[in-house]
Amino acid sequence: ETGVTQTPRHLVMGMTNKKSLKCEQHLGHNAMYWYKQSAKKPLELMFVYSLEERVENNSVPSRFSPECPNSSHLFLHLHTLQPEDSALYLCASSQVPRDRGPPLHFGNGTRLTVT
Amino acid sequence: QKEVEQDPGPLSVPEGAIVSLNCTYSNSAFQYFMWYRQYSRKGPELLMYTYSSGNKEDGRFTAQVDKSSKYISLFIRDSQPSDSATYLCAMSGSAGNQFYFGTGTSLTVIP
Repeated sequence: ETGVTQTPRHLVMGMTNKKSLKCEQHLGHNAMYWYKQSAKKPLELMFVYSLEERVENNSVPSRFSPECPNSSHLFLHLHTLQPEDSALYLCASSQVPRDRGPPLHFGNGTRLTVT
Repeated sequence: QKEVEQDPGPLSVPEGAIVSLNCTYSNSAFQYFMWYRQYSRKGPELLMYTYSSGNKEDGRFTAQVDKSSKYISLFIRDSQPSDSATYLCAMSGSAGNQFYFGTGTSLTVIP
């Protein structure tokens, strides 16, 4: 297994459900990210774990909760989502500091639909 | 003003044409410039990566950075139907974890 792997690929959930997205990177990177991709909008950074420190976008609602147990695994826990949360959720990894390696490597994403 | 501006297209060209994709930006602190290709139902794939100004060539692809004009370009020569995808530009400063993305340009190469 190489690169960045995300599961599941597709997820349909009701507004009262709780689910988790999983990401695993096999590149030896030390930073991992969650991005949200919506139609006709730039990628929106949600959370970063870099050198075991968490950085977050303050505009992300608390119904999204990240977890990073080690430098290779990243989770996004979801609860009581809204229909406007339907989007493609992308996991990425990179090496920091920036001059030590190439930029973001993405997984294929989880297509989330909230009904 | 957005950090990064990119024409969303869609752009449709015949096979074999030269394609020019562009982004402008406002932050003079950006040092790293990237182009990603994203096929339908896939994640973005890193296509080109340059540091500071200048040109970089890889096969049919050429990336150009003009920091004085805050303008970056991706040229695709001899375009192929397999180049049909959405192309995202991205950039970042020399430190920190923030990458700034354009909205993407949808390209279709017609056989």
